[in-house]
Amino acid sequence: DGGITQSPKYLFRKEGQNVTLSCEQNLNHDAMYWYRQDPGQGLRLIYYSQIVNDFQKGDIAEGYSVSREKKESFPLTVTSAQKNPTAFYLCASSSPRDGYQPQHFGDGTRLSIL
Amino acid sequence: AQSVAQPEDQVNVAEGNPLTVKCTYSVSGNPYLFWYVQYPNRGLQFLLKYITGDNLVKGSYGFEAEFNKSQTSFHLKKPSALVSDSALYFCAVRERGSQGNLIFGKGTKLSVKP
Repeated sequence: DGGITQSPKYLFRKEGQNVTLSCEQNLNHDAMYWYRQDPGQGLRLIYYSQIVNDFQKGDIAEGYSVSREKKESFPLTVTSAQKNPTAFYLCASSSPRDGYQPQHFGDGTRLSIL
Repeated sequence: AQSVAQPEDQVNVAEGNPLTVKCTYSVSGNPYLFWYVQYPNRGLQFLLKYITGDNLVKGSYGFEAEFNKSQTSFHLKKPSALVSDSALYFCAVRERGSQGNLIFGKGTKLSVKP
């Protein structure tokens, strides 16, 4: 079955450490997205990519970085500059040519500070 | 600017009773509208969407939603709630014809008691 795989499910970060969250999709979608979810705040867009080798900042990109070297993969790095990284991170993908297509989501990575 | 409002943080319903989860939106043009459901520690699952046509949209698990252009609303409904419907529900909007991203509401927690 096609879908989105996020790993790991749980991740712990030490002070001053960068950590990378993995997101892989086999839906052949062009667009991929990273969201941060905090209780009571809904989903906030971190970065998105409409095509390989191109990506744009979302609403809360500071302290995060991404790459899009392959269509299937869109890893997110949480850098030491992100002072409050504890959150649930969700990756999604969609076919952007048809704006009415829903986004498909992975099952998330929960990041905590040690 | 596009926005979505879910005015209720939590909705409580008895099993077997009808449920409504409210959503209002603001876009400059015509909208694409979506509902998603999230179970604990999982990603978002697509429930239904409004693109055009009939204002009453039917989706997964017996849910439906009514698009009301004059009231700029897209309320989620189900005739008879199940305990298993207890989850977090998100409304999202995208302006038709735009390359913009989905804008999500903050979510409404639905609690169905036996």
